[in-house]
Amino acid sequence: AQSVSQHNHHVILSEAASLELGCNYSYGGTVNLFWYVQYPGQHLQLLLKYFSGDPLVKGIKGFEAEFIKSKFSFNLRKPSVQWSDTAEYFCAVTLTGGGNKLTFGTGTQLKVEL
Amino acid sequence: GAVVSQHPSWVICKSGTSVKIECRSLDFQATTMFWYRQFPKQSLMLMATSNEGSKATYEQGVEKDKFLINHASLTLSTLTVTSAHPEDSSFYICSGIELLAKNIQYFGAGTRLSVL
Repeated sequence: AQSVSQHNHHVILSEAASLELGCNYSYGGTVNLFWYVQYPGQHLQLLLKYFSGDPLVKGIKGFEAEFIKSKFSFNLRKPSVQWSDTAEYFCAVTLTGGGNKLTFGTGTQLKVEL
Repeated sequence: GAVVSQHPSWVICKSGTSVKIECRSLDFQATTMFWYRQFPKQSLMLMATSNEGSKATYEQGVEKDKFLINHASLTLSTLTVTSAHPEDSSFYICSGIELLAKNIQYFGAGTRLSVL
């Protein structure tokens, strides 16, 4: 069965620090990749997605992610975080032809300190 | 972006009673809706997929008679937890896929269920 691993469960950064959150998936077929964010008390929101094409995708709020097929990875990055980026971040995968079923990673809780 | 409304946001019930959770797509038609369950400090686990007008498809290990799903229209899906027990206490989240954006799920804010 497919799985998604997020290795960092809790990350604490100071404002203006750079961010990279790891995401690896285990599946040999064609995948669609997503990063969702959940701000405190709010619903999951889509940050960015990769279906095909340029493996470097840019999302909202200055986030980007790079799909490296050989490493089965889709790491999330932001050059300079803000206090308002404090949230939980989920990596997720669907399989092409898999009925749009999302498999989520366990999430990374990011805290940005002033 | 597309909005999914979930109601109630929090419900407390006695053991043995049934609880209904509603999931509505407010500004789009959701041909498919998903129901997830999230345990504390864990990820979202897919419970079932529901397509408008047909029976829901449940994931392995999810009791279909306990978690009744109805998707009677393109904007409404309901999850009924029947004869709830304390172990059913959890955070339940729904999502919908827009007809013209089939690969993107829009999520509700979730329902916190506490069974006493």
